[in-house]
Amino acid sequence: DSGVTQTPKHLITATGQRVTLRCSPRSGDLSVYWYQQSLDQGLQFLIQYYNGEERAKGNILERFSAQQFPDLHSELNLSSLELGDSALYFCASSVFGQGAGSRTDTQYFGPGTRLTVL
Amino acid sequence: AQKITQTQPGMFVQEKEAVTLDCTYDTSDPSYGLFWYKQPSSGEMIFLIYQGSYDQQNATEGRYSLNFQKARKSANLVISASQLGDSAMYFCAMREGDAGKSTFGDGTTLTVKP
Repeated sequence: DSGVTQTPKHLITATGQRVTLRCSPRSGDLSVYWYQQSLDQGLQFLIQYYNGEERAKGNILERFSAQQFPDLHSELNLSSLELGDSALYFCASSVFGQGAGSRTDTQYFGPGTRLTVL
Repeated sequence: AQKITQTQPGMFVQEKEAVTLDCTYDTSDPSYGLFWYKQPSSGEMIFLIYQGSYDQQNATEGRYSLNFQKARKSANLVISASQLGDSAMYFCAMREGDAGKSTFGDGTTLTVKP
């Protein structure tokens, strides 16, 4: 158990709908990352938050948005869903989340949310 | 250009033998970190080992060791005494630059045979 929690574990929805994925980081971690894992694109970085502020943005679609709350949990909102959005969405956390990192600033991953868009 | 290259889509190893999973990387940043993660069929991503670009010694964590060859830009994972539970997908990842995001390779599927 990495200490990172994600809910829900599975989500099945229809095209055009909106969903919210939730992540609670490990105790003491200030940085949260969202990744998308799909068969055709592999594991792709979406966005990073550090202590409530957006720090880095990756290949995140405009239909997707995220935020990190004062209690450090994070939510990833996916709207106008398309079939191609079906994927495993991971949240990860680390203490600082800056630069090359270190053994102590390792990113630990949650169990993921498997999203299926029908 | 690919930042992380894992050239072995699939590997087989006999139980109790050692296996090396290859990873090459591309960066011009002198400060970077290299990570290996394991993803079993259940889906979770499990951190295995970390190597910093300035680390003088190769990293080791139990049965896992990292063969870090900086000049060749390679960071191969060595698993000693393979176990059936080691069967999984293995990802090499790199962190560089100001932000802490990781770039992942395409992964190598390891199958341990009894």
